Formats: sequence, structure tokens, C-alpha cells
Amino acid sequence: NAGVTQTPKFRVLKTGQSMTLLCAQDMNHEYMYWYRQDPGMGLRLIHYSVGEGTTAKGEVPDGYNVSRLKKQNFLLGLESAAPSQTSVYFCASSYRAGPSGELFFGEGSRLTVL
Amino acid sequence: SQKIEQNSEALNIQEGKTATLTCNYTNYSPAYLQWYRQDPGRGPVFLLLIRENEKEKRKERLKVTFDTTLKQSLFHITASQPADSATYLCALGLNYGGSQGNLIFGKGTKLSVKP
Repeated sequence: NAGVTQTPKFRVLKTGQSMTLLCAQDMNHEYMYWYRQDPGMGLRLIHYSVGEGTTAKGEVPDGYNVSRLKKQNFLLGLESAAPSQTSVYFCASSYRAGPSGELFFGEGSRLTVL
Repeated sequence: SQKIEQNSEALNIQEGKTATLTCNYTNYSPAYLQWYRQDPGRGPVFLLLIRENEKEKRKERLKVTFDTTLKQSLFHITASQPADSATYLCALGLNYGGSQGNLIFGKGTKLSVKP
């Protein structure tokens, strides 16, 4: 049972390039999330999804887009990467709605934008 | 302004002692509070959840308290071991009426347990 899998684990981009981070979960969870984690700051929610075909903005959505075409996958896209998007990105999923649902996190994707 | 603070960035204790980590918040009314453990280079792992109407929750060597009057949660690890060394994150669970709630994470406290 893999849980939450993120690919790629590491990536270096140049300013202006685009890329997509893929998150896959095999727990049949309805709810999926993308967070970023920066030194000296807590995890911040970028976008989330409450089910297949739905997405919503979190705390820091600017510069990112997401899609949830299949229940098990949640994609995070950067259309034109900026150095401020250098961060570690975590995908998470949960089986319960709202703040009472424990989150299952992936191992993270470390992105550097030069 | 709204804030969530974990009282120290780092906490060093001796093996066998009880580690106590603090999570304080202002201008939030959380319905739940969660604690996670994060090891270097890894994703956070859920440990415990406590509801606003619960005073205390235990799991093996872990204990969490939640005081909505003081706006504080305490996280205790008894009989600490070097393997407990990690960063511990608290997260406030907020209910937004009718819609998907949100978790607000603290910055974490790095715990080091020395043998």
C-alpha cells in the first residue's frame, strides 16, 4: 500500500519555465490538498479538492493551477515559474471532510527555480 | 491579527524525561487541533487529534491537552527516546460553515532527545 506518492521528488527550473507535479493516492480518499513548506513558515495551503472534477483555492493560490480529473490523482501546475516558488511541495489526502480529517502526506517534491 | 505560535523553534531534552511542546493561538476559534511529526526530508505524519470539547487525549506515550480558554494546546511525550527526535507541528482545524474546513499549521518545534 503506497499511500500518497509524489513525482518528481526533485526538480530545478529556470524562471519562466512550466512544470507539473503529480500526486497519486491509493486510499480512495475524496479530499486532496497541495501545500508548500518554506523555512521559518508553516505549511501553507495552495489548492485543494473535495472530489473528482472539483478544485478550490487555498491560502496561497497565485501562480499555480490544479486539476483533479481522476479521483486518485491531483496535479499541481506552474505555468511560468518564479524564484519565489522555490519551495518543498507536499500533497496530502484525507477521507474525512473538514478540519477533523487527518491528513496523509506524500514525501514531498523539492523545487528550485533559478 | 490571527496567529498560531509554537513556543520554541528547538527543544533539547535528556532521554527518559518528558518533553512538553506548546501551541498557542490568537484570534482563532478552532474546532479541532491536530499534531503531526515530521522527520528531515519526509512528509508530516499524523499523531493525534483533539476536539474543542475534549480536555485531554492520550496515545501510548503521547498526551495532548486543549484549553480553549487559554487558547493553548500542550503536547507531551513521556519517557522520551532519541527516536522521538523530530519536528512536531500543531495544526488548528477551523470550521467554515458548510464548506470545506481548513487546517492552519504552526511553524513547528524541533525536538532533540539526547541519550
